[in-house]
Amino acid sequence: GESVGLHLPTLSVQEGDNSIINCAYSNSASDYFIWYKQESGKGPQFIIDIRSNMDKRQGQRVTVLLNKTVKHLSLQIAATQPGDSAVYFCALGNFNKFYFGSGTKLNVKP
Amino acid sequence: KAGVTQTPRYLIKTRGQQVTLSCSPISGHRSVSWYQQTPGQGLQFLFEYFSETQRNKGNFPGRFSGRQFSNSRSEMNVSTLELGDSALYLCASSLGLVRDNEQFFGPGTRLTVL
Repeated sequence: GESVGLHLPTLSVQEGDNSIINCAYSNSASDYFIWYKQESGKGPQFIIDIRSNMDKRQGQRVTVLLNKTVKHLSLQIAATQPGDSAVYFCALGNFNKFYFGSGTKLNVKP
Repeated sequence: KAGVTQTPRYLIKTRGQQVTLSCSPISGHRSVSWYQQTPGQGLQFLFEYFSETQRNKGNFPGRFSGRQFSNSRSEMNVSTLELGDSALYLCASSLGLVRDNEQFFGPGTRLTVL
């Protein structure tokens, strides 16, 4: 199976600072990667995705970086806001399978 | 446009019983995927349906099955329930297959097996 891990289970940042959430994976055949945000009591919400033929992709206040050499994915959130407090999951797909990481809880301190 | 709806929201069953969960996708979405979320195992992919056909399947035993109807609504069935099946079951819909389209998740069905 696939191994998808996150470097930190909990990340605390000050409001206004940038946040970086990391994800490591083991299968180099993964061809698409997705970041999700899950707030308490809700289902996950799509944030941004990236294909394996890309190294970087930007959205609104978010950037995803993919380093295929070391099998590492990161999500950068600029100017973190209290509304960003949630659990963040990376997910990746390959060979018609889909795997989620264990999640990082982001706490934003006012 | 209405979001993804799941029924029921909460369910309590006993070991050995079976359960059927329902998911109504966003109008126009043809793909429905199911996921299991537990504190111990996290989020795990169960299966994906597109145009009434199962397209992808995760690593779950055959007790977990699903189907999709012509209106894209989907049901998931778990037979011979075990205590370990207690989880939040999420469904998500997308215009097309997950690999090419953004998914929208429902609020989930909380299943408790006693």
